[in-house]
Amino acid sequence: AQKITQTQPGMFVQEKEAVTLDCTYDTSDPSYGLFWYKQPSSGEMIFLIYQGSYDQQNATEGRYSLNFQKARKSANLVISASQLGDSAMYFCAMREGSIGGATNKLIFGTGTLLAVQP
Amino acid sequence: GAVVSQHPSRVICKSGTSVKIECRSLDFQATTMFWYRQFPKQSLMLMATSNEGSKATYEQGVEKDKFLINHASLTLSTLTVTSAHPEDSSFYICSARDGGRFDEQFFGPGTRLTVL
Repeated sequence: AQKITQTQPGMFVQEKEAVTLDCTYDTSDPSYGLFWYKQPSSGEMIFLIYQGSYDQQNATEGRYSLNFQKARKSANLVISASQLGDSAMYFCAMREGSIGGATNKLIFGTGTLLAVQP
Repeated sequence: GAVVSQHPSRVICKSGTSVKIECRSLDFQATTMFWYRQFPKQSLMLMATSNEGSKATYEQGVEKDKFLINHASLTLSTLTVTSAHPEDSSFYICSARDGGRFDEQFFGPGTRLTVL
């Protein structure tokens, strides 16, 4: 079974509008972390935002926020006020286990290609 | 902070040759580094976890003798693709664990390998 599922292969959004990128996950570990990374066409992976499984509040980092619904096992990324520079591939990833644990492997979803239109 | 470099960024080689890719953490010490492979328009697939001073841990299906990993210091890990063939052509990305607030991985810019 897929541990990280991103059901949207591609998304369009108008500049200055908000967009939600979906991510669902599957784990039996009570301690885990969820990450979102951005990959522009140049290839580098840019860390955007993190949500821990025990965090009570949804994470926010500037224009990025994470809509964390633990019971539904979803961790959707919300980008507000989209900019042309936001056009990129976006990956959701999960680390099973706690911060600082022996295992820090990331499992990635298949990604969502976001295109911001002027 | 938390900058990871990779060298070379792009390499083209003949089939049968070996290629070495370097991954360096520039401003922090990384006890653990990771090597990923990414085919066009696909996700990152973890190949191996590299721990300083010990043998790398390879994911299922990844050939140890094909992809040699050496983590010689806290800031350097190398991946050597031995006897490369066209099917090894891919985008290889390394990352380093920083043990910080989120214990996230910081990624290098990637190396695009083309084997002719």
